[in-house]
Amino acid sequence: RKEVEQDPGPFNVPEGATVAFNCTYSNSASQSFFWYRQDCRKEPKLLMSVYSSGNEDGRFTAQLNRASQYISLLIRDSKLSDSATYLCVVRGSARQLTFGSGTQLTVLP
Amino acid sequence: GAVVSQHPSRVICKSGTSVKIECRSLDFQATTMFWYRQFPKKSLMLMATSNEGSKATYEQGVEKDKFLINHASLTLSTLTVTSAHPEDSSFYICSARRGLAGEMETQYFGPGTRLLVL
Repeated sequence: RKEVEQDPGPFNVPEGATVAFNCTYSNSASQSFFWYRQDCRKEPKLLMSVYSSGNEDGRFTAQLNRASQYISLLIRDSKLSDSATYLCVVRGSARQLTFGSGTQLTVLP
Repeated sequence: GAVVSQHPSRVICKSGTSVKIECRSLDFQATTMFWYRQFPKKSLMLMATSNEGSKATYEQGVEKDKFLINHASLTLSTLTVTSAHPEDSSFYICSARRGLAGEMETQYFGPGTRLLVL
């Protein structure tokens, strides 16, 4: 079983749509959780950290369920510029990051 | 935000040659840097953790004699792919960790180096 699993997609949605991505992790000792965004042929960039209480940053909402070992990202009012691959990332007790394989999103005009 | 640079951004080499990739933290000191590899449509896979002034820690399955890592200063780590072969062609990305354990540490990624071995 992979340490971090994501639905690879692709998700093709129209502009303005709401889209949700899910992620599960296998190591219950994982300590920190993040969503990164990676554009084609570029390095990953931190989108947002994920906290147990849930957190929001503009159109983006992240949720964490430690009991289910489940992380989600919700994007509202999708923009063309949101097209990218979204990586679910988990940091363990050794402080190393483990990346999911990513979910590809294409927002269509 | 902090900046991490990588050089070169792209390299094409012949099979059997060695390629050195540099990773620099430009505005902070990084005692720990990481080297990742990403194949097309795959996730980033950690290759090794580079510690300033000591030997790198390699992940299982990564040959330390093939992927030489040197972290000679607090702002520079290098990865040398020795005797490169076509299967080593990949996107190599470094990251530098800023902050101490217990604080809000963050990893900043370099822009990556695309290696093509002919």
